[in-house]
Amino acid sequence: GQQLNQSPQSMFIQEGEDVSMNCTSSSIFNTWLWYKQDPGEGPVLLIALYKAGELTSNGRLTAQFGITRKDSFLNISASIPSDVGIYFCAGLGGGGSEKLVFGKGTKLTVNP
Amino acid sequence: DTAVSQTPKYLVTQMGNDKSIKCEQNLGHDTMYWYKQDSKKFLKIMFSYNNKELIINETVPNRFSPKSPDKAHLNLHINSLELGDSAVYFCASSQEGRLHGAPQHFGDGTRLSIL
Repeated sequence: GQQLNQSPQSMFIQEGEDVSMNCTSSSIFNTWLWYKQDPGEGPVLLIALYKAGELTSNGRLTAQFGITRKDSFLNISASIPSDVGIYFCAGLGGGGSEKLVFGKGTKLTVNP
Repeated sequence: DTAVSQTPKYLVTQMGNDKSIKCEQNLGHDTMYWYKQDSKKFLKIMFSYNNKELIINETVPNRFSPKSPDKAHLNLHINSLELGDSAVYFCASSQEGRLHGAPQHFGDGTRLSIL
C-alpha cells in the first residue's frame, strides 16, 4: 500500500530557531496536507496543498507541494513554545484511492 | 461551536464487552471517517462514509461496525473488545466536491482502554 516517509521523527530546538520537516513517498498524491496534534486532542489542519510546485504560507508556517507530487516539506520560522506538538504530513487521492495516508509524525520540542 | 465532536472522550472497559463511540459533525460535510491511532501515534483509516453510504472499509475486524443514521453522524460499535483494541479513535469529516480532494477535520478523539 501507499506509505509516507516523514522525517525527522523528533526534533529538539531552542525557541527562535527555524524548523524544517519533510515527507516523501514512492507514490504520487494529488493533495498534500500538514496537521498538528497537541496532547489529548485531534489533528488540526495547518496547510493544504493542491497543486504540484505550490508554495503556501500560514503565518510562520510555509509548506510546499513537490514538483514530482511525491514529496512535501513544512518549515516553521522563529519557533515559539506553543509550536510543541506532533506534526503529521498526509497525502490524499493518489493511485485512484481516496484514502488519506499519514506519515508517522515529527515530534517537536521547543526549549524556551 | 464544535465542528466534529465525539463521545465519550475516555472509555475504560473489560475485555469481551461491547461498546459504542458516537460522532457528530456540524460542518455540513458529506463524508465522515473513523481512524485508529496506536501507541506510536500512527494514524490509520478504518472506515469512510459518504452520505450514509460506506465507501472505504479497510481490513478491520468484523467486530467493528460503523453506523451512519444521517450524514451528520457516524457511530462506531465494537463487539467483543480485545486488548489490542486499546487506542485512540478519531472521527473526521470532509466536504467532497473538490477536484483534488478535501481536507479532513478531526474530532478530539476517544481514548479506549481495555482492561
